[in-house]
Amino acid sequence: AQTVTQSQPEMSVQEAETVTLSCTYDTSESDYYLFWYKQPPSRQMILVIRQEAYKQQNATENRFSVNFQKAAKSFSLKISDSQLGDAAMYFCASVSGNTPLVFGKGTRLSVIA
Amino acid sequence: SQTIHQWPATLVQPVGSPLSLECTVEGTSNPNLYWYRQAAGRGLQLLFYSIGIDQISSEVPQNLSASRPQDRQFILSSKKLLLSDSGFYLCAWSILGVMETQYFGPGTRLLVL
Repeated sequence: AQTVTQSQPEMSVQEAETVTLSCTYDTSESDYYLFWYKQPPSRQMILVIRQEAYKQQNATENRFSVNFQKAAKSFSLKISDSQLGDAAMYFCASVSGNTPLVFGKGTRLSVIA
Repeated sequence: SQTIHQWPATLVQPVGSPLSLECTVEGTSNPNLYWYRQAAGRGLQLLFYSIGIDQISSEVPQNLSASRPQDRQFILSSKKLLLSDSGFYLCAWSILGVMETQYFGPGTRLLVL
């Protein structure tokens, strides 16, 4: 069974600064994908970034990047130049084989002006 | 482009009443479809997923059921709601297999009184 752990229930960052959200996962599969989703106050889940486990290069999407440490089963999200609109719940998720997406419990990010 | 719709957006129902939540996807064929529930302040719990018409897997035994009468329509139902059914219900879709990225609808807020 897959598990995803987010050990930081809440984080805060100053506007324009950088913040890193932590995520660890556990799977026995060799082929899997990892995701970060953002849930703003509207509560719609929005895909932020995706990482295929077979790719060594860390995924990036504009101000968002990941630090994927496969051996350590770690998948952290770095948000650079934080903006007020980045304030949201962030969920780490993992999928492998025939097992549907498994989510962590989320990290609430506050952005301070 | 693909879009996903959910309705109603908000619903207040008495205990013991029936439930029907609808999800439709546009712009794609034969999607995988998913129903999730999110209780207040918690992560997402997968309820059902479907890889095709009349092909539905249940992840959590409860008083809810799901049906897929058409390729791009996914319905979540209950014959008698419980107080514990209150929450935020999200529908999602993906293409190809369960390893693919899931895209979420706007959600339905359900309050059972």
